[in-house]
Amino acid sequence: ETGVTQTPRHLVMGMTNKKSLKCEQHLGHNAMYWYKQSAKKPLELMFVYSLEERVENNSVPSRFSPECPNSSHLFLHLHTLQPEDSALYLCASSQDRTGTNTDTQYFGPGTRLTVL
Amino acid sequence: DQQVKQNSPSLSVQEGRISILNCDYTNSMFDYFLWYKKYPAEGPTFLISISSIKDKNEDGRFTVFLNKSAKHLSLHIVPSQPGDSAVYFCAATYGNKLVFGAGTILRVKS
Repeated sequence: ETGVTQTPRHLVMGMTNKKSLKCEQHLGHNAMYWYKQSAKKPLELMFVYSLEERVENNSVPSRFSPECPNSSHLFLHLHTLQPEDSALYLCASSQDRTGTNTDTQYFGPGTRLTVL
Repeated sequence: DQQVKQNSPSLSVQEGRISILNCDYTNSMFDYFLWYKKYPAEGPTFLISISSIKDKNEDGRFTVFLNKSAKHLSLHIVPSQPGDSAVYFCAATYGNKLVFGAGTILRVKS
């Protein structure tokens, strides 16, 4: 049990669908992250939230829309995705956003997304 | 442009032998390096780290070596066990940035 849960674990959607990924952390952390992992590529940081405020958006297309209603929950709303968006989407949390060197991130199991 | 590179997509090692996973980086601003381990259907979990002011850090069977002049680090696992079979990600940080490599699949054969 990593303390970070993600639902659903698998999702198949069409390009015209709207879906949401959910992440919940039970660790009392203040920072949460969305990453994308495509096959044979490094994890790509998508969004960072610190104390429920978005502090980083790494040039992610607007068809991905994050939401952080409180420090324990993070959503990724998906709309009109493309097949190349198929990937593993990982959520992570850390105590603070002040520095990742001594503040390791705890990852959820990920959502395997397939866009048809 | 990948700042953290793991050039070996996979590695196969016999149980009991040493596993050496390599990682190269290009950004001299990186000040901390981490290794994460990922099993199928699970998220990456933190394994071991090293500060840029050190050249070695050891934790049980896991040792990380850093060669700053070569911008190279490696993770040694000895002795390797079948349960070590996983994907290993190298990561590096500077400021608030955490940059990952693409991962190396380690298979430990019994």
